[in-house]
Amino acid sequence: NAGVTQTPKFRVLKTGQSMTLLCAQDMNHEYMYWYRQDPGMGLRLIHYSVGEGTTAKGEVPDGYNVSRLKKQNFLLGLESAAPSQTSVYFCASRDLTSGRVPTRSYNEQFFGPGTRLTVL
Amino acid sequence: TQLLEQSPQFLSIQEGENLTVYCNSSSVFSSLQWYRQEPGEGPVLLVTVVTGGEVKKLKRLTFQFGDARKDSSLHITAAQPGDTGLYLCAGAQNAGNMLTFGGGTRLMVKP
Repeated sequence: NAGVTQTPKFRVLKTGQSMTLLCAQDMNHEYMYWYRQDPGMGLRLIHYSVGEGTTAKGEVPDGYNVSRLKKQNFLLGLESAAPSQTSVYFCASRDLTSGRVPTRSYNEQFFGPGTRLTVL
Repeated sequence: TQLLEQSPQFLSIQEGENLTVYCNSSSVFSSLQWYRQEPGEGPVLLVTVVTGGEVKKLKRLTFQFGDARKDSSLHITAAQPGDTGLYLCAGAQNAGNMLTFGGGTRLMVKP
């Protein structure tokens, strides 16, 4: 299993350009997430999805759109990139919580390797 | 202001020393996780704590969840260079669909 994969790994955009980041997972997970990571700020949730065809806003959704047309894929779009969107973007997935007794893996999110985006 | 505050932000120690990283909040969490992230990679789960006062050990790492489930600590005994990385705490509230991450503690262990 490849786990969670992200494409591309690196990208440089000019202000105003658009792009789509692709996340794919082969673990049949229901939940998928998009985060951005900036120095000293940990990970901040952009959008997430609790199943195919559904999406919801996270903490910092402005300037981003997402789509979950297939269960295994979660796309993050930037319609008009801005320098403030320079960041490292991480996708994550997790399975539905199962069992009444939480285990080590309770709520565990599996992360991709990240996409480093620079907007000039 | 972040919901989860981690301290310290940076820590540079010599191999063999002990250290503690703190994760504090004014909010109650149903569960709290610790992740470790290495350069160029995504975070990887170390442990999940659920019960107030719970203590879990993972080899030389000891994790504690506060009695009121608002804070947590990670203690590393006899740190090794392989412990170098970014440590992130993350809390879940209610159904746990979303995690709130702390700002991270960047640890460097020098040989």
